[in-house]
Amino acid sequence: AQKVTQAQTEISVVEKEDVTLDCVYETRDTTYYLFWYKQPPSGELVFLIRRNSFDEQNEISGRYSWNFQKSTSSFNFTITASQVVDSAVYFCALSERGFGAGSYQLTFGKGTKLSVIP
Amino acid sequence: KAGVTQTPRYLIKTRGQQVTLSCSPISGHRSVSWYQQTPGQGLQFLFEYFSETQRNKGNFPGRFSGRQFSNSRSEMNVSTLELGDSALYLCASSVGGGMNTEAFFGQGTRLTVV
Repeated sequence: AQKVTQAQTEISVVEKEDVTLDCVYETRDTTYYLFWYKQPPSGELVFLIRRNSFDEQNEISGRYSWNFQKSTSSFNFTITASQVVDSAVYFCALSERGFGAGSYQLTFGKGTKLSVIP
Repeated sequence: KAGVTQTPRYLIKTRGQQVTLSCSPISGHRSVSWYQQTPGQGLQFLFEYFSETQRNKGNFPGRFSGRQFSNSRSEMNVSTLELGDSALYLCASSVGGGMNTEAFFGQGTRLTVV
């Protein structure tokens, strides 16, 4: 079975510190997609990034950056100069093939709760 | 563009009752998925509907069911409620539900079973 592990349950940082959220996944598929979502207190999951299994190029978007390493099955997420508004639960997810043709589902990690202290 | 709308936002039900939750996807999205979120189990996939057909189902008992209408709106039903069904139920919509699809989530319905 496919699996996503986020070992860090909760992290607290002081504002302006950098923080890295870890994600390790398991899959037997050769083609797959990985995602990061953010869940603020309001409840809805907000899409942050997706990466396919053939694209190991790391990405930077403003204060966010992602490090995808297929050799270690890791897809880590770094926030630079954290802000209070970054406080949320962050989920890593793997797109998993479903039973129906053309169907896929997201397998989520348990999430990392990030608290940024002013 | 309106986002994914879930109603109601909060529900309190008694054990043994049944409940129906509603999800209105983003206009043009044909795939609707449902997830259950609990502190212990995290986010777990319930089922996915595409063009009114259930295309995929997670590992949940038959008490959990759903359907999708021709306008892509979806409902999920839970019969004979148990205390363990207390959770945040999230609906996600996407254009086609493919492997690389960005899913858009609603704010969820928080169900409390007493």
